[in-house]
Amino acid sequence: DTAVSQTPKYLVTQMGNDKSIKCEQNLGHDTMYWYKQDSKKFLKIMFSYNNKELIINETVPNRFSPKSPDKAHLNLHINSLELGDSAVYFCASSQVATGTSNEQYFGPGTRLTVT
Amino acid sequence: AQKVTQAQTEISVVEKEDVTLDCVYETRDTTYYLFWYKQPPSGELVFLIRRNSFDEQNEISGRYSWNFQKSTSSFNFTITASQVVDSAVYFCALRESSASKIIFGSGTRLSIRP
Repeated sequence: DTAVSQTPKYLVTQMGNDKSIKCEQNLGHDTMYWYKQDSKKFLKIMFSYNNKELIINETVPNRFSPKSPDKAHLNLHINSLELGDSAVYFCASSQVATGTSNEQYFGPGTRLTVT
Repeated sequence: AQKVTQAQTEISVVEKEDVTLDCVYETRDTTYYLFWYKQPPSGELVFLIRRNSFDEQNEISGRYSWNFQKSTSSFNFTITASQVVDSAVYFCALRESSASKIIFGSGTRLSIRP
């Protein structure tokens, strides 16, 4: 069984379009995250939700909007896509937001290419 | 402020050699957690280990070992008798106890040549 799953795995789209990436975890974790990995492999957190409540909102353009319908799902919607949005987006989850049991488990990633 | 430095951008060794990946961190917290993740060519991120700041015991798991030294703020990772399947990008990461955010280093690309 896949612990953290993301769809789609690849996404190719044109500038100006709006797209969504979906994430689901079946680990029973309370906290979920979105990360962006750029072409140099640098990983940076974008958002985090704990029990459907936004707890981390890094400096990200407001074209990016996360949505958590329940604690097992965290989706990422991107409006007006730009070339610089091309990256691999990783979803992750952890048992709790803080405390010791907080290693994060990652999904397989979504490679977004904006042309 | 928290920071993780992986000074080795790329390492290439011949199979069966031992290799150590360096990680140096900065934090003002007295309680924090350190992690290593592996990203193989297939792209997924695989959790390898978590170490708590109050536990300085070194850890060994098969061919993998980790050396945590608070005195030098380092959490180094050694692969013994490396294999081609160890080829990947390895990330060291840090989380302060009161935070949920993990800060990742820039990664070390390890290539194991047959």
